[in-house]
Amino acid sequence: EVQLVESGGGLVQPGGSLRLSCVVSGLPLSTFWMNWVRQAPGKGLEWVANIKQDGSETYYVDSMKGRFTISRDNAKNSVYLQMNSLRAEDTAVYYCAAGWGWLIEHWGQGTLVTASS
Amino acid sequence: EIVLTQSPGTLSLSPGERATLSCRASQSIGKNYLAWYQQKPGQAPRLLVHGASSRFRGIPDRFSGSGSGTDFTLTITRLEPEDFGVYYCQQYASSPLTFGRGTKVEI
Repeated sequence: EVQLVESGGGLVQPGGSLRLSCVVSGLPLSTFWMNWVRQAPGKGLEWVANIKQDGSETYYVDSMKGRFTISRDNAKNSVYLQMNSLRAEDTAVYYCAAGWGWLIEHWGQGTLVTASS
Repeated sequence: EIVLTQSPGTLSLSPGERATLSCRASQSIGKNYLAWYQQKPGQAPRLLVHGASSRFRGIPDRFSGSGSGTDFTLTITRLEPEDFGVYYCQQYASSPLTFGRGTKVEI
């Protein structure tokens, strides 16, 4: 069974930075395209970014391009989301999610990021 | 960017009834790369259907997807109490991946 566990969420002041981590178990991380998807409180799902199995391709939603960076370390079975210049509207549960292609098949339980003073 | 419009916003139904959820895309979705997810409060989404009509492993056969191009439907025959939640459609044909705003199914 594939399991994804996120960490690194918390309270951060607007303008600050945070790095989220996700550890994958059950299958080698190198099997998967990896994604970050977020959900603001009471709102719907918003895809943030994804990264190819070998890290050679990354894609972002335009509104986060330049502020957020997705990366991975297959040797550590880990994927990361570096978030800079955080805004109040970035407050959300951030899900790590995996799939063989761009289809998202497996989800973590999420980590809450709160950008507030 | 492909915009997905889901309707209705909320469905109030009784156990045993049939639910029909709609998802319309702003442009044709290549290879019918359209998925449906179920999300319950406090939980992560769960994949139900991919490729517009293929059930993911372990998903009961009361869930079925159909459609192509720009119009897609998720049908839940014989609703069970555990089927309550919010259902999202998502296209994974082109970047940025996009989700619809969801349909809430109330039992």
